Amino acid sequence: AQSVTQPDIHITVSEGASLELRCNYSYGATPYLFWYVQSPGQGLQLLLKYFSGDTLVQGIKGFEAEFKRSQSSFNLRKPSVHWSDAAEYFCAVGAKTGNTPLVFGKGTRLSVIA
Amino acid sequence: DVKVTQSSRYLVKRTGEKVFLECVQDMDHENMFWYRQDPGLGLRLIYFSYDVKMKEKGDIPEGYSVSREKKERFSLILESASTNQTSMYLCASGEKGEKLFFGSGTQLSVL
Repeated sequence: AQSVTQPDIHITVSEGASLELRCNYSYGATPYLFWYVQSPGQGLQLLLKYFSGDTLVQGIKGFEAEFKRSQSSFNLRKPSVHWSDAAEYFCAVGAKTGNTPLVFGKGTRLSVIA
Repeated sequence: DVKVTQSSRYLVKRTGEKVFLECVQDMDHENMFWYRQDPGLGLRLIYFSYDVKMKEKGDIPEGYSVSREKKERFSLILESASTNQTSMYLCASGEKGEKLFFGSGTQLSVL
């Protein structure tokens, strides 16, 4: 069965600092991988996705993520955080075949301080 | 602009009431999903549907049922609401293997 682990429940960074949010997955084959962001009181918005090909994927709002098969990881990064990036971030894994629904991690809450 | 619309942003219900949460998508997606979101637990899948009149149980279906009479509409039903069903409910739609589009959520409080 698929599973996703986001080891950090809450991270605080200073505005302008770099950010890395960790995501580890468990899946028997090559997965589809996603990062979503949820601003307070809102639904989830897709930041980026990995299906195949280049293991470094670019997303919206200046985010990027790198798929590392050997480490079963898909960490999200941003070189310089803005106050508006404060939100909850969810990593998700999906199957390339069949109709298996996405499995989400428990989320990492990001706080940004001045 | 693509849309997943949930009928209510906030709902307050009493224990034992029958509750309907409605979700409509305008993207002609085959697949629709209901998740609940609780602090520290992330998103947990309640039910999903891959076609009209079809449904599959997710990870936490107990106390819930669903209805999909039309492709664009997926309803979540709480047959007899209980306080432990107080939560944020998120509806999503998408195609197989593709990203999901989410509604804004319904914050349900059961008193």
